[in-house]
Amino acid sequence: KAGVTQTPRYLIKTRGQQVTLSCSPISGHRSVSWYQQTPGQGLQFLFEYFSETQRNKGNFPGRFSGRQFSNSRSEMNVSTLELGDSALYLCASSPVVGSNYGYTFGSGTRLTVV
Amino acid sequence: GNSVTQMEGPVTLSEEAFLTINCTYTATGYPSLFWYVQYPGEGLQLLLKATKADDKGSNKGFEATYRKETTSFHLEKGSVQVSDSAVYFCALSGNTGNQFYFGTGTSLTVIP
Repeated sequence: KAGVTQTPRYLIKTRGQQVTLSCSPISGHRSVSWYQQTPGQGLQFLFEYFSETQRNKGNFPGRFSGRQFSNSRSEMNVSTLELGDSALYLCASSPVVGSNYGYTFGSGTRLTVV
Repeated sequence: GNSVTQMEGPVTLSEEAFLTINCTYTATGYPSLFWYVQYPGEGLQLLLKATKADDKGSNKGFEATYRKETTSFHLEKGSVQVSDSAVYFCALSGNTGNQFYFGTGTSLTVIP
């Protein structure tokens, strides 16, 4: 079956712009989480959605937001981009809420802010 | 709070050498523990997991045992191959199961 699909794979944006990233989970998976990966900070949790509700949020400013649709697809949005937002953004899905089951990750969207 | 500490890399081994990557954790309650692997340009792939003390996770020749007494989950493989070259992440799932806490990752390079 198809894995977790993230689009686009690569993105270049200018400081001050906003960006929307998309994630389609594995069919039947209702939990979607987002992580930011940078060389300096490693992997950091952004948020988790289940059944269109945000269940948990990491320690990121309000410029980072997300949502989940009724078909479990998820988007995350970053407004007023800063150079430090350059990162690999990873989406992960799970059939159930919570991470004890183990997540399946997508290949990520590499965002570069110039 | 929850945190994971991994041994610093990078690690370079010859093919067929024995691999150990150390991982220790701090957690409240009873977390589940995971090892993920990331190949260049790709996302993370679940390698193995253990959900309770003394469980052993295993996959593709890799093993790790959940040791509550030493709060450790070290990754081992008896004979590494060039294709094992990747970055390995240890992670724990918090007691509420809402998010992963990742280690900083250990880069492994296996040379022929």
